[in-house]
Amino acid sequence: GAVVSQHPSWVICKSGTSVKIECRSLDFQATTMFWYRQFPKQSLMLMATSNEGSKATYEQGVEKDKFLINHASLTLSTLTVTSAHPEDSSFYICSAIRGGNTEAFFGQGTRLTVV
Amino acid sequence: QKEVEQDPGPLSVPEGAIVSLNCTYSNSAFQYFMWYRQYSRKGPELLMYTYSSGNKEDGRFTAQVDKSSKYISLFIRDSQPSDSATYLCAMSFNQGGKLIFGQGTELSVKP
Repeated sequence: GAVVSQHPSWVICKSGTSVKIECRSLDFQATTMFWYRQFPKQSLMLMATSNEGSKATYEQGVEKDKFLINHASLTLSTLTVTSAHPEDSSFYICSAIRGGNTEAFFGQGTRLTVV
Repeated sequence: QKEVEQDPGPLSVPEGAIVSLNCTYSNSAFQYFMWYRQYSRKGPELLMYTYSSGNKEDGRFTAQVDKSSKYISLFIRDSQPSDSATYLCAMSFNQGGKLIFGQGTELSVKP
């Protein structure tokens, strides 16, 4: 099966600092990656769609200057939370689509806590 | 109105019971329908994937899609304690497109 690895699994950072989360497709090339955010006992909310070599497409209400997404290669996308605040504390999950496929494979998620 | 509605539960059943999980949706343009299982603090794991209307069976799991009613279901037969998790329905408009998730139903299977 296809494996998507997300790193780190958890991170604690101080308010005002930036945090980078990596999403890698380990055994396939991901033409498209998605970034989601999940609050406790709530569903996954799509933040942005990332295609390799092009700018990410952000969902309505998501600040593109705060959540920087880079999809530099077919196996790596990064999400950088800039100037993090306690309200950014959440569970961030990425998923990747293999070219020509419809299945989305998810990473294990990153729990971000901003103190 | 949310695009995808799912009863959050929690749902508690005894081991061996048949579990029925459901989602309704409002946009008839959805074509691809999925069920994911998510354990606490983990990423979702794909269980079932269906294109358009119909049934699909995989072991103890059966997925049904009724596009005329905008209603999808997941049945779990002979439920096990290891099935205890949150089950999320998801759907998309096109192949490889973004997924719209339901809220998730928390399931607990008691031994």
